[in-house]
Amino acid sequence: DAGVTQSPTHLIKTRGQQVTLRCSPKSGHDTVSWYQQALGQGPQFIFQYYEEEERQRGNFPDRFSGHQFPNYSSELNVNALLLGDSALYLCASSPGTGIEKLFFGSGTQLSVL
Amino acid sequence: AQSVSQHNHHVILSEAASLELGCNYSYGGTVNLFWYVQYPGQHLQLLLKYFSGDPLVKGIKGFEAEFIKSKFSFNLRKPSVQWSDTAEYFCAVNAGAGNMLTFGGGTRLMVKP
Repeated sequence: DAGVTQSPTHLIKTRGQQVTLRCSPKSGHDTVSWYQQALGQGPQFIFQYYEEEERQRGNFPDRFSGHQFPNYSSELNVNALLLGDSALYLCASSPGTGIEKLFFGSGTQLSVL
Repeated sequence: AQSVSQHNHHVILSEAASLELGCNYSYGGTVNLFWYVQYPGQHLQLLLKYFSGDPLVKGIKGFEAEFIKSKFSFNLRKPSVQWSDTAEYFCAVNAGAGNMLTFGGGTRLMVKP
């Protein structure tokens, strides 16, 4: 049983570009959340998707957007990349929107040059 | 909004030493509390969690944590650390609806053999 899978594992972009990160949730999970983990810091909540809609959002600008597909997989899009967007982006999935069974992926390391 | 503080950023111990990592949160309502571990190159893994009941919670790998409501604290302990416990440890809080987690800044633990 595959856990939460994210792609790509590493990505290098330049300022001003746009990036799309992908996440496949653990089997049986229908809710996906995204976190940003800057170097030396704890993860920060970006948003959560359930039933193909954004349900909760953290304190991130509109440059960060997402999507959830009917198969529950999800994408995180970041437009107009800034140097400060360099971070590890984590995806977490759960069955429903509860907190009891939250599983994290290994993340996508994004470097913005 | 809730916040989580981990006062020890870096901890170095010898094998067999006892461990206590501090975690304090700021939120006046009911909270769910978590400790996660992140081994180098791996995904965040849940060590233990507290929802209600006995404030002394036992987790995996010999870790335990005590919830002290009056102190808004949820400190992590282990009586005897091993070299394999070298990792980064994150305290996290969930308050209210949904499964958004607010993480502390993390404590990097190095155990010397």
